[in-house]
Amino acid sequence: NAGVTQTPKFQVLKTGQSMTLQCAQDMNHEYMSWYRQDPGMGLRLIHYSVGAGITDQGEVPNGYNVSRSTTEDFPLRLLSAAPSQTSVYFCASSYQGRDYGYTFGSGTRLTVV
Amino acid sequence: RKEVEQDPGPFNVPEGATVAFNCTYSNSASQSFFWYRQDCRKEPKLLMSVYSSGNEDGRFTAQLNRASQYISLLIRDSKLSDSATYLCVVNGRYGGSQGNLIFGKGTKLSVKP
Repeated sequence: NAGVTQTPKFQVLKTGQSMTLQCAQDMNHEYMSWYRQDPGMGLRLIHYSVGAGITDQGEVPNGYNVSRSTTEDFPLRLLSAAPSQTSVYFCASSYQGRDYGYTFGSGTRLTVV
Repeated sequence: RKEVEQDPGPFNVPEGATVAFNCTYSNSASQSFFWYRQDCRKEPKLLMSVYSSGNEDGRFTAQLNRASQYISLLIRDSKLSDSATYLCVVNGRYGGSQGNLIFGKGTKLSVKP
């Protein structure tokens, strides 16, 4: 099984550009989420989804959009990139959310210049 | 009070030593608790869940004290390969019944020969 696959692994954007970080899982997990990890800040929740067609905001949602049209895919869209969005982004999925822990993708390292 | 607090370390210990990490959490309604391990520039990986009765997995023992809102991780007979950052995780206030996971900033462990 591939688990949770994130693409791209690395990306450099110019301020104001938009892009989509891809996340796909093949474990039939209902629950998916996006985190960002910054030095000294730990992992912070951006958006999450409890199933296809259902998304909601986490702790730091501003500047990001998500959609969940299928169980497998949960893309994260940066609307207009800013240097403050330079970070490592992790996608995670879980069978039933809180009780089973998460499986993480390998991350996307994003730099906004 | 921060939602999940950990001593950032680093803990520098010799091989074979026993080391303990502590973590406190602020949300008394939290019901799920985990320890994750994160290697440098890698994604977090689930180490173990933490149950009210405590649990053990080989050299690793986790304990939960709900009254004090305190979680611990004990590593016995430390190996060089245990060097990593250990993340304390509890379910938080996002996600309704799903309860998104809130991550501590992590405790860094370095095991020396």
